[in-house]
Formats: sequence, structure tokens, C-alpha cells
Amino acid sequence: ETGVTQTPRHLVMGMTNKKSLKCEQHLGHNAMYWYKQSAKKPLELMFVYNFKEQTENNSVPSRFSPECPNSSHLFLHLHTLQPEDSALYLCASSREGSGAQETQYFGPGTRLLVL
Amino acid sequence: RKEVEQDPGPFNVPEGATVAFNCTYSNSASQSFFWYRQDCRKEPKLLMSVYSSGNEDGRFTAQLNRASQYISLLIRDSKLSDSATYLCVVNHGGYNKLIFGAGTRLAVHP
Repeated sequence: ETGVTQTPRHLVMGMTNKKSLKCEQHLGHNAMYWYKQSAKKPLELMFVYNFKEQTENNSVPSRFSPECPNSSHLFLHLHTLQPEDSALYLCASSREGSGAQETQYFGPGTRLLVL
Repeated sequence: RKEVEQDPGPFNVPEGATVAFNCTYSNSASQSFFWYRQDCRKEPKLLMSVYSSGNEDGRFTAQLNRASQYISLLIRDSKLSDSATYLCVVNHGGYNKLIFGAGTRLAVHP
């Protein structure tokens, strides 16, 4: 399936590096999400964008900076990360962000390792 | 208390077995409920939504008890391909904010 794509799929970075994760959805959706999945922990919602506007920031540290230039693209800019930020970062999209029954479709994720 | 709690597993069952997973949620204002499936090192995928009246999709049956804040998933006639982690997911509030359980791992063996 290529509905939601993410690049890169794997990333190794040092604590002083700056990198960006990219997500693109080809489903015509208007809402996009960033999630973090750490080992042995549930998926945690980080950010929600609905029609390009950020509607949710789940107390995420400022070293993670999202950007949503249009409804099809979502970025997560990373700088001065910590080793505990190593995780799988998943992007998702849905038709819109205001309906309780909207199905979210996930991308394959970026596996990030911070050294 | 976690917002969504699941049996930790793992559940190791033979092919053909029936297996049931349980999930409880803490927010009584939760509005919609789902089971997602996540294969090893892959992204979660929606398995089925869960409705108050209960619903069935082939070998899979989901039940919701709002009074007890309890959700279940029953898998009949287990297949090797059912081996995965099953995530209980709850949406509360007026917008699409999903809260995930930690997942229950299922391993089906020949």
C-alpha cells in the first residue's frame, strides 16, 4: 500500500544533529498526525493537524517541531535530541480531524536511533 | 491508571483455537472504539471498529460494554497469519484523538 509514505525509513543521528522526517499522504485526507512508539510502550499521539492547522500538541518537547505546509505533507523537524527519543515515529492521516469515527491510516514509520 | 489497559500476553495458541482479548478504558466520555493490528516492525492497521451492539467480521467478533467500560475481541479458528499484536484503541472527545493500549501479542503455532 502506498496511501501514506514516510521517509526516511531508518535514521541514525547524533544529539547535535538536525534532521527532518517527511510524511506524504495520497488519500485526499485533511488531517495528519505524528505518533511516537517506544519499545514496550503504547503509541503516543504527538501532534494533530486538521486542514493545515495544528489542533493538538500533546506536551511534546520543543526539540520536536512539526510543519504542515499543505494537507498532503507533514514534516517533523528534529534538533538536539536525546537518546530516549529513539523510537518508531509514525505518521497517520484521516479524512478530517474532527470526527470521532474517522479511521486513521498509518505510514510505515521512521525508525530513529539517537546516539 | 492507564487510559486503555489490555491483557499483556503473549497468547500462544495452536491453529484452530479460539482466543479472546480484553480491554478496559478509563474515560467514560469515550465515543468510539477500535481494534488495530500491528505486525512485527510494521505500522498499525485497522482491524475493525467496535459498536455497542457488537459486530462480527468473518472469524473476528468485537463486543463493547459501555457500562463496564470494557471491550473484547474474539478470534475463532486461529490462523498462523493471525500472529500479531492487537491494539485496543479508544477515541474520546469531539475530535479524532486516538488513545492506544499497549497491545496484546498473539502467537499462533502449527
